Amino acid sequence: QVQLVESGGDLVKPGGSLRLSCVVSGFTFSDYYLSWVRQAPGKGLEWVSYASSSGGSLQYADSVKGRFTISRDNAKRSVYLQMNSLRVEDTAIYYCARGGTNRLEYFDFWGQGALVTVSS
Amino acid sequence: EIVMTQSPATLSVSPGERATLSCRASQSVNSNLAWYQQKPGQSPKLLIHSASTRATGTPTRFSGSGSGTEFTLTISSLQSEDFAVYYCQQYNYWYTFGQGTKLEIK
Repeated sequence: QVQLVESGGDLVKPGGSLRLSCVVSGFTFSDYYLSWVRQAPGKGLEWVSYASSSGGSLQYADSVKGRFTISRDNAKRSVYLQMNSLRVEDTAIYYCARGGTNRLEYFDFWGQGALVTVSS
Repeated sequence: EIVMTQSPATLSVSPGERATLSCRASQSVNSNLAWYQQKPGQSPKLLIHSASTRATGTPTRFSGSGSGTEFTLTISSLQSEDFAVYYCQQYNYWYTFGQGTKLEIK
C-alpha cells in the first residue's frame, strides 16, 4: 500500500537549519509530484513546496521562498526539505503529500508528519 | 492568492442527522476543489476531489457539489467516526486551503 514516512523533525533555534526527509513506498515514485504541507499548532493547512515528478520543477510558497529548498532522489524514493533561516512562525507539523502525475492536483496520500519547533 | 473561506467555523449536529459544510473561493477555481477530513493527532485524509468525486474508500454518505466559487460537502447521516475537522482546498491556481470547519457532536 502507499506509504509516506517523514523524519528529521526537531527543536531548533531561530536562524537555524533543519532537513526533513520523506521516504515513500507502494507506488511508482518517479511518476508523481510530491509536496510538503505544514500545519502550525492548532491551525489550518498551508502548502509549502512541491517537486515535479522529474524534479525539474520546484515551487515554493511565498512565505518560505529563498529560505527552503525541496529536492528529490528518485533512486532513493525520497523527497527532502532543507529549511534555512528558520523563524518562530515556521513551527509546525510538516507533512509529505503525494500529488498527481500532472501539475496542480489534489493530495491523495499523506505521511504522519514531522514536528518542527523553532524556539530559543 | 485565492482565498478559501469555510463556514461555519463550528457545526454541532446529532448523530444520524445531515451536515452541510460550505466553502467559498475568492475567484473561480472551476471544479478543482478537494475536501479533506482530519481527526485529532492524525494527518488529513482525502475525501472528495474534483468537487464531487469520492476518493477510493470514501463512504457514499459523503457527497460534494458545486463549481466556480461555491462548494458544499454534505454528510447525509452522521456516524460517530465523522466528527472531525474538514478542510476544503483549491488546486486550480497553486494550492490554498480553507481555515476548516469543526464538526462536533450536538
